[in-house]
Amino acid sequence: ETGVTQTPRHLVMGMTNKKSLKCEQHLGHNAMYWYKQSAKKPLELMFVYNFKEQTENNSVPSRFSPECPNSSHLFLHLHTLQPEDSALYLCASSQDAGTGYQPQHFGDGTRLSIL
Amino acid sequence: AQTVTQSQPEMSVQEAETVTLSCTYDTSENNYYLFWYKQPPSRQMILVIRQEAYKQQNATENRFSVNFQKAAKSFSLKISDSQLGDTAMYFCAFMRRDNYGQNFVFGPGTRLSVLP
Repeated sequence: ETGVTQTPRHLVMGMTNKKSLKCEQHLGHNAMYWYKQSAKKPLELMFVYNFKEQTENNSVPSRFSPECPNSSHLFLHLHTLQPEDSALYLCASSQDAGTGYQPQHFGDGTRLSIL
Repeated sequence: AQTVTQSQPEMSVQEAETVTLSCTYDTSENNYYLFWYKQPPSRQMILVIRQEAYKQQNATENRFSVNFQKAAKSFSLKISDSQLGDTAMYFCAFMRRDNYGQNFVFGPGTRLSVLP
């Protein structure tokens, strides 16, 4: 039990589909993160939410749309994705994202495959 | 911008032996943290060890220790008495120590196999 739960574990979708990834944390944290892990590339930070406000958007294409309705839930809405978007998408949470180091707790990830 | 380099894509070690994973980074910052994360086949990212840049003493967690050379911008991980459960991807990561978010920068990872 990691405290950070991601669903689904696996997702296969076509380029014209619309789907959403879900992340839920049960740790009482206030900051949540989306990362992309592609084969043979470093782990990339995509978005950061601190107290439900987006504080980082690392030049992510608009076909990825994050949503953070509350501090416990984070979504990544996907539409019109490209084959190069196939990757493992990791969610993480921490106590907060603005007062120095707080350890990040990661979920198990969603393996996304774009056909 | 910060960058993190791990020059060993894959390594293997015999069970009970010692192995060292290398990591170098580039930054103009003076205050920062360095981390080693482990990602076993289960995919969960697990924090192994962390080091504050202002501390000269190398961090140690049980069988895991680091060799932090700030001037050389080097941060290697030593695993002693390797166990089969240590088989995983290991990521070195850098984080600025400021109030503008927790931007981790990760290295490309080293795949470690512990052989029986």
